[in-house]
Amino acid sequence: GQSLEQPSEVTAVEGAIVQINCTYQTSGFYGLSWYQQHDGGAPTFLSYNALDGLEETGRFSSFLSRSDSYGYLLLQELQMKDSASYFCAPRGYNTDKLIFGTGTRLQVFP
Amino acid sequence: DAGVTQSPTHLIKTRGQHVTLRCSPISGHKSVSWYQQVLGQGPQFIFQYYEKEERGRGNFPDRFSARQFPNYSSELNVNALLLGDSALYLCASSLALAGHYEQYFGPGTRLTVT
Repeated sequence: GQSLEQPSEVTAVEGAIVQINCTYQTSGFYGLSWYQQHDGGAPTFLSYNALDGLEETGRFSSFLSRSDSYGYLLLQELQMKDSASYFCAPRGYNTDKLIFGTGTRLQVFP
Repeated sequence: DAGVTQSPTHLIKTRGQHVTLRCSPISGHKSVSWYQQVLGQGPQFIFQYYEKEERGRGNFPDRFSARQFPNYSSELNVNALLLGDSALYLCASSLALAGHYEQYFGPGTRLTVT
């Protein structure tokens, strides 16, 4: 079967660093995507890991360990605008199908 | 370049009616996927179309159907609407059918069924 686990909610203050963990179980795993979604908005692509290791994109970094079926999104120098829901989404071979869980709601406080 | 566009933005329908939602992918993108997002949940995969052929289908009843046109735009049709079909319907496009291409989402169509 397929399963996806993320913390439901995370809170932090401006300027802090936050890590959102993701464990997954899915057949035909190819890579792990991360999306950000503000209330009322569409999901926005943040990062993608096809290989083990760390991918860095500005203030955001994402990590993948295929052997552990585990990944995380690291957000540095948090800003108020980072308050949003964050989704990890495994993807399979030769498909655009993304599997989303309920996501992690991040609240950043001043 | 224009992003993924969807129409209409909002829609109110009555139970039992039919609805058609439309999506235009980013220019050059040949793959279109549809997702349903119920409030408080993540998007759920409905369909994927690539080069006008269905390449994937999620766990949705046959009341849901879709198609892709020669210009790669797409329509999602839902028949015999139920209250539970009320959701944000998202369209996403990507360059090609492969696991490593980014998917870009449109703003969605908010469907309310009364």
